[in-house]
Amino acid sequence: SQQGEEDPQALSIQEGENATMNCSYKTSINNLQWYRQNSGRGLVHLILIRSNEREKHSGRLRVTLDTSKKSSSLLITASRAADTASYFCASNTNAGKSTFGDGTTLTVKP
Amino acid sequence: GAVVSQHPSWVICKSGTSVKIECRSLDFQATTMFWYRQFPKQSLMLMATSNEGSKATYEQGVEKDKFLINHASLTLSTLTVTSAHPEDSSFYICSARDLTGLAGAGELFFGEGSRLTVL
Repeated sequence: SQQGEEDPQALSIQEGENATMNCSYKTSINNLQWYRQNSGRGLVHLILIRSNEREKHSGRLRVTLDTSKKSSSLLITASRAADTASYFCASNTNAGKSTFGDGTTLTVKP
Repeated sequence: GAVVSQHPSWVICKSGTSVKIECRSLDFQATTMFWYRQFPKQSLMLMATSNEGSKATYEQGVEKDKFLINHASLTLSTLTVTSAHPEDSSFYICSARDLTGLAGAGELFFGEGSRLTVL
């Protein structure tokens, strides 16, 4: 399958809570990126983590990467209603090919 | 950050007609662009890799005669859906990789997508 896996498929939380999404991939990677997609729109890049990095922060986002387990997680802290969207991970090989996870649909209730 | 522009945003056409979608990198050169297809509530599926000045590389199961890709310049790739049918209705998204370091490490930038509806 071309696709990686993400869990959970859907996540519903209250505003102010933290949201954690996980992503697994199958091949060796050069880097992994997380994207956000609002319904019917294109993808917006959130954060990139290289294969030699284990953790990265950007504002309320925290990404971890475990290459031994071929997995990554995205943590959104102090969530807001505006964070409601679908979130995808994309694992990128040295050849430049990206494989997307199935995505997690996050709903943040005000 | 770098911008990738996609046009049109949405298009409705009759069955049997051909539709062209453009993907432009606005502030960086992209020797390689990628075309994805996304069905409702699903992830992105890579259709093909568009290479400037050469033939596109298609993923398994994607009909190259159906989805024509032309990457004539370093900033423009086009996807033409030929003889479109209702089953071709989908959200098509392009992306381009910035290898010049504008955002570092070959970050992939996406267009806003083009929603095709074939009647």
